[in-house]
Amino acid sequence: DTGVSQDPRHKITKRGQNVTFRCDPISEHNRLYWYRQTLGQGPEFLTYFQNEAQLEKSRLLSDRFSAERPKGSFSTLEIQRTEQGDSAMYLCASSDVSTNEKLFFGSGTQLSVL
Amino acid sequence: AQSVTQLGSHVSVSEGALVLLRCNYSSSVPPYLFWYVQYPNQGLQLLLKYTSAATLVKGINGFEAEFKKSETSFHLTKPSAHMSDAAEYFCAVSGNQGAQKLVFGQGTRLTINP
Repeated sequence: DTGVSQDPRHKITKRGQNVTFRCDPISEHNRLYWYRQTLGQGPEFLTYFQNEAQLEKSRLLSDRFSAERPKGSFSTLEIQRTEQGDSAMYLCASSDVSTNEKLFFGSGTQLSVL
Repeated sequence: AQSVTQLGSHVSVSEGALVLLRCNYSSSVPPYLFWYVQYPNQGLQLLLKYTSAATLVKGINGFEAEFKKSETSFHLTKPSAHMSDAAEYFCAVSGNQGAQKLVFGQGTRLTINP
């Protein structure tokens, strides 16, 4: 069990650019979640997958955001035409029935949009 | 709809003193309640969770929380604080035990004074 890993740890980009983040969950976990955390706030749910199917997406999530989990393993989160308001920590988590659905979080990707 | 309010964004206690972190929730369905801890540069870790079994829930590192339906509260306590308890603590609520679409509070930063 190597834990949930996220790449990159930090990303600095200019407004209007596209960015993509990667999450590798714990290998046997079939559920994968994306959350966003801004300074001084708790994490906010964005979307989740069961295997390769995206089952729910937050209504607050702009259509500039898209997530995929093509083979039911790793996932990518892409933000198109970034805005300064997208600056946040993007957290990935995974879970499985075998862990009684306990969420295991990665350390996150810190995005700064200049 | 669900929400969580954590009373006090910063709490400071002396080493050896009682730790009390307050959390009140709102939920239209029977809630599942969680406390997570976030150490600097680490992912969120589950401390404990309430899933309608016992109202007093014991977690890791000596923490416990009591579910009080009449007060809509789920406060976190620890009898004797250690320096290693310094971290950010988040209370969260979910409407089901399965998919962990958690609604988090804004967090409480706990400082331990020597």
